[in-house]
Amino acid sequence: DGGITQSPKYLFRKEGQNVTLSCEQNLNHDAMYWYRQDPGQGLRLIYYSQIVNDFQKGDIAEGYSVSREKKESFPLTVTSAQKNPTAFYLCASSILGTVNTEAFFGQGTRLTVV
Amino acid sequence: QQQVKQSPQSLIVQKGGISIINCAYENTAFDYFPWYQQFPGKGPALLIAIRPDVSEKKEGRFTISFNKSAKQFSLHIMDSQPGDSATYFCAAGGSGGGADGLTFGKGTHLIIQP
Repeated sequence: DGGITQSPKYLFRKEGQNVTLSCEQNLNHDAMYWYRQDPGQGLRLIYYSQIVNDFQKGDIAEGYSVSREKKESFPLTVTSAQKNPTAFYLCASSILGTVNTEAFFGQGTRLTVV
Repeated sequence: QQQVKQSPQSLIVQKGGISIINCAYENTAFDYFPWYQQFPGKGPALLIAIRPDVSEKKEGRFTISFNKSAKQFSLHIMDSQPGDSATYFCAAGGSGGGADGLTFGKGTHLIIQP
């Protein structure tokens, strides 16, 4: 089945640690995105990538880093510089074209600082 | 700067009633307006979307109404059912063909009472 797979589903981080969230898609989509979801805040864009080896900062990129070495994969690292990392993280992908099309989301990773 | 404002934050509707959620946007470069449905612990899924060249789009019990001059759009759920209980997000996409992601409203928590 085609789709987006995020792992792990739950992740716990100690203060000062870097953690990496995985996102893999088999939809052959060019564009991939990371969003952060907090209660009552909607979804906010962290990073996005249109092609391999290229990515752009979104609205809340500070304290995060990404890579796009393969079309199918777009991992997100939450660094120790992110002061409030507890949130629900969502990865998405879409086809790129002249008009917007549907963005498909993964099932999310819930990150908690302990 | 909140570019997409969504209201109400929460909504309770009786089974069989009409649920109405409103959104307003500021950026006239937006040209794609999707609504996403999210169940607890899951990623959002596209419900219905509209482009500014039409004023209304209907899919089953779900209708988007779009007012370009007022920069507003709304979701109407007819004959609301308990299974419709979820969080709904409106969003807006720019004219870049999806390259730079979507801007989301803060969400509406909808409860349909049996």
